[in-house]
Amino acid sequence: QISLKESGPALVKPTQTLTLTCTFSGFSLSTSEVGVGWIRQPPGKALEWLALIYWNDDKRHSPSLKNRLTITKDTSKNQVVLTMTNMGPVDTATYFCAYKGRDTGGSFDSWGPGTLVTVSS
Amino acid sequence: DIQMTQSPSTLSASVGDRVTITCRASQTISTYLAWYQQKPGKAPNLLIYKASTLQSGVPSRFSGAVSGTEFTLTISSLQPDDFATYYCQQYNLVSSTWTFGEGTKVEVK
Repeated sequence: QISLKESGPALVKPTQTLTLTCTFSGFSLSTSEVGVGWIRQPPGKALEWLALIYWNDDKRHSPSLKNRLTITKDTSKNQVVLTMTNMGPVDTATYFCAYKGRDTGGSFDSWGPGTLVTVSS
Repeated sequence: DIQMTQSPSTLSASVGDRVTITCRASQTISTYLAWYQQKPGKAPNLLIYKASTLQSGVPSRFSGAVSGTEFTLTISSLQPDDFATYYCQQYNLVSSTWTFGEGTKVEVK
């Protein structure tokens, strides 16, 4: 059974860098065509895709946030890390990591519960 | 970039109603379109992928269809557990990026 969980600070100050870790089980990120993505959701608003890393270390980023995002993986630890620089109040959101399987056409099969990050001084 | 326009933003319905939510793409895209259900305080749950394939474990009252650039999610007979917000999501094969719709809240009439 696939499981993912996000961890990181609940509160960051403006201009700081956010580092979030997604720890997963039930699949290997060395399996062909699978990936782990990050999606966020500001309070009361829609979902926004941020980044995704594939099994082969290929990386994709949202064009609007590309310059602020870094996504990496540690296959041996079953972890994916997202960093976002220069955080501001508009980045306050629940951040989700999610599993992209090989057979579901670009959809996110399983999601972590999410972690709320508030940006405030 | 391809834009996804989801409608309506809010839908008031009763148990037993047939409900349809629409997502329109700004240009022709692949059928890599997914639908999710999200309840307050929870992560989204995949319902449909590749426009019309039902995810394992999802009730058969949910269905997806595509006609040109218009994608639809239909709930054939709304159940109490279905009051939630629904999102479409497209995967752009050319740019390898993902885009979510703005969401449709299905509320009690």
